Amino acid sequence: GEDVEQSLFLSVREGDSSVINCTYTDSSSTYLYWYKQEPGAGLQLLTYIFSNMDMKQDQRLTVLLNKKDKHLSLRIADTQTGDSAIYFCAEAKTSYDKVIFGPGTSLSVIP
Amino acid sequence: SQTIHQWPATLVQPVGSPLSLECTVEGTSNPNLYWYRQAAGRGLQLLFYSVGIGQISSEVPQNLSASRPQDRQFILSSKKLLLSDSGFYLCASGQDSSYNEQFFGPGTRLTVL
Repeated sequence: GEDVEQSLFLSVREGDSSVINCTYTDSSSTYLYWYKQEPGAGLQLLTYIFSNMDMKQDQRLTVLLNKKDKHLSLRIADTQTGDSAIYFCAEAKTSYDKVIFGPGTSLSVIP
Repeated sequence: SQTIHQWPATLVQPVGSPLSLECTVEGTSNPNLYWYRQAAGRGLQLLFYSVGIGQISSEVPQNLSASRPQDRQFILSSKKLLLSDSGFYLCASGQDSSYNEQFFGPGTRLTVL
């Protein structure tokens, strides 16, 4: 079956790095995503990675994929108060399949 | 890119009343459309998805229904609301792109009293 799990809360100090972890069960997942939801708003795609990649870096964001362990992580360098939000891990099998979301990790950044 | 419109933004309804939430999409054609519910600011539950006009798949049995009367219009309805229908409802649009990005609307906050 399809299942995506995340820890629900993370608190970090401003300027530190944040690492948000995610595990998924479907080994046929081809696309893995991180979405961000700011308070009272919809979700926005932050970054994504294909299953044939191990790492992807985009400015302050680094995504690591361990396909063997079905583990995905998002690292935010130099975390700012504006990074406070809920971060959703998600996966899809194909480019037209439905996307399965995790429960979301609420990141709090302490000034 | 796509723009997703949802209305109303907030809604307070009594138990037993009907519901109609509307979602429209700009900037694309023939998208896949989705309705999600997010309860108490947490988790995202997929309720319905549609791959074309008149084609609706339901993910969970519930008090709600969905319809897609036009290519870029998706409606979430109920004949009689329950207290448990309260939540934050999100409409999303996706396409068969290279990486299947989903675009989300701003959401509707529904409170059933």
